[in-house]
Amino acid sequence: ETGVTQTPRHLVMGMTNKKSLKCEQHLGHNAMYWYKQSAKKPLELMFVYSLEERVENNSVPSRFSPECPNSSHLFLHLHTLQPEDSALYLCASSQDTGGADTIYFGEGSWLTVV
Amino acid sequence: QKEVEQNSGPLSVPEGAIASLNCTYSDRGSQSFFWYRQYSGKSPELIMFIYSNGDKEDGRFTAQLNKASQYVSLLIRDSQPSDSATYLCAVFWDTGRRALTFGSGTRLQVQP
Repeated sequence: ETGVTQTPRHLVMGMTNKKSLKCEQHLGHNAMYWYKQSAKKPLELMFVYSLEERVENNSVPSRFSPECPNSSHLFLHLHTLQPEDSALYLCASSQDTGGADTIYFGEGSWLTVV
Repeated sequence: QKEVEQNSGPLSVPEGAIASLNCTYSDRGSQSFFWYRQYSGKSPELIMFIYSNGDKEDGRFTAQLNKASQYVSLLIRDSQPSDSATYLCAVFWDTGRRALTFGSGTRLQVQP
């Protein structure tokens, strides 16, 4: 069992659909993250949560809506997405957001918007 | 804007050779540096981290940090075909963003 689990692993959705990505970490960490990885582009930070409080929103469009009900779970709610939103969405966690802590990634959710 | 730069490659080396991967970053106010490996279709996995100037060795891997030159590198000794992957450099700055900033990665190909 990996420390950070993401579901679903693959998702195809239409531009008018509403779906959610789920992440769960089993490492006892206090910080969780959403990153987006598009082809030939660096990993882009989307959101940072520390102890269930959003501490950073990296200018992400409102069609992406995060939710962190507790320190072990993180969701990314998706609605009215665009084809350019197709990418690998990676959840990660770390002990804290202090920078010296290693972040651990989940396996990712491959999203295709049609 | 704080940035992390890597040559996209591919960097091709023969099996058994030393692979040298380089990374530069734009701001001196950085705190910690990480190297991740990402196989095609998989998520990044940590190889090693370095905080202080100099070299840090872990098995076949050596990270080198030069803060004055804003440069961090990863050396892979005795390269194996299984080392073929994309290597991501990541930097944490002690001001501003509370998360790692990643470079776009260097693709390494180790030829048998």
